[in-house]
Amino acid sequence: GQQVMQIPQYQHVQEGEDFTTYCNSSTTLSNIQWYKQRPGGHPVFLIQLVKSGEVKKQKRLTFQFGEAKKNSSLHITATQTTDVGTYFCAEIKAAGNKLTFGGGTRVLVKP
Amino acid sequence: DTAVSQTPKYLVTQMGNDKSIKCEQNLGHDTMYWYKQDSKKFLKIMFSYNNKELIINETVPNRFSPKSPDKAHLNLHINSLELGDSAVYFCASSQRRESYTFGSGTRLTVV
Repeated sequence: GQQVMQIPQYQHVQEGEDFTTYCNSSTTLSNIQWYKQRPGGHPVFLIQLVKSGEVKKQKRLTFQFGEAKKNSSLHITATQTTDVGTYFCAEIKAAGNKLTFGGGTRVLVKP
Repeated sequence: DTAVSQTPKYLVTQMGNDKSIKCEQNLGHDTMYWYKQDSKKFLKIMFSYNNKELIINETVPNRFSPKSPDKAHLNLHINSLELGDSAVYFCASSQRRESYTFGSGTRLTVV
């Protein structure tokens, strides 16, 4: 079945630097959602992208949906220690509202 | 007010025991879910219920049985617990194809 792949699996970032995490699919995605899970916490919804080429910003976070709707990215500028956690992309399918997650990118921030 | 609450937060039990995890949501959502997160952080859907009706039943051992007495509650009963059942179990809810709201998780340790 279709899988949503995330890269990298791990990201060590120096505080203040920027980084990007990517979500790729071999087939067209109907939409993409992004979640953040802090260590010891639960996934928390960040954003949903639906349209081809869509770009949305939340403060230092920029989310993008590819033109072909087969990939998405999350770019964080000026990383802070509060950005530590695992970032998941996920696709929600109409059948049963099933949310299928990518493997996640674990972000560690070096102060 | 906690939107999705699940109990207990921690569960340590011996192999062979039967245990239950309870979940309640006060968001008025129609659909509730159980997800399993393994030690590698991978999130996999187990079940979903829509208005008390089972919609998704992934490849899960028969020892796992969900029950939804009403659309605000979804419980998970596990029989004859095995070591491999150790994981974090998340309850979640959503309305149609909107974002999911997750509970804080139940960390199950089978010894």
